[in-house]
Amino acid sequence: AQTVTQSQPEMSVQEAETVTLSCTYDTSESNYYLFWYKQPPSRQMILVIRQEAYKQQNATENRFSVNFQKAAKSFSLKISDSQLGDTAMYFCAFMKQPRGGYSGAGSYQLTFGKGTKLSVIP
Amino acid sequence: GAGVSQSPRYKVTKRGQDVALRCDPISGHVSLYWYRQALGQGPEFLTYFNYEAQQDKSGLPNDRFSAERPEGSISTLTIQRTEQRDSAMYRCASSFSRGALNTEAFFGQGTRLTVV
Repeated sequence: AQTVTQSQPEMSVQEAETVTLSCTYDTSESNYYLFWYKQPPSRQMILVIRQEAYKQQNATENRFSVNFQKAAKSFSLKISDSQLGDTAMYFCAFMKQPRGGYSGAGSYQLTFGKGTKLSVIP
Repeated sequence: GAGVSQSPRYKVTKRGQDVALRCDPISGHVSLYWYRQALGQGPEFLTYFNYEAQQDKSGLPNDRFSAERPEGSISTLTIQRTEQRDSAMYRCASSFSRGALNTEAFFGQGTRLTVV
């Protein structure tokens, strides 16, 4: 079974500053995906960024980037130029390669961490 | 539709009653998932459908929980004889296909279930 650990229950950052959210995971799988989801006060779940485990290059999406360390099983999220709208819960999530590969049968279920509550301070 | 739609948004029920939660996925999405999110926690997987076939129900906590997707589109999660511990946000998610390029799950707004 996979586990995802987010060791920072709460964090805060000044507007326009940079913040890094930590995530570690435990798995025996060699092929998988990692995700960061954002849950604002509206309680939506919004995909922020995705990383394929077979890719060495860290994923980036505008102000969001990850530091993926496969050997260390670490997957941190860096938010640059923090904005008030970034205030939210952030969940790290793991998805293993389904049985039969990505084109085969099996569910793409996500295993989530407990989340980090990020507050951006004006 | 434009997004994953869940109904009702809020449901308060008395202990022992049955409840049915509905999910209408994004049109054309093959895969459908149900998750449960307790307050202060991340979502936990309940069950997965590929079209109308329930291919994984390993996350359903006990036999009071069941789900169906008879025509491969709308899905219903049913909880029988509800208990207070069932109180949580129930989220539905859908994705286009099982292909590696389509691992993005789109989540609905959820149904907040409160058992009193």
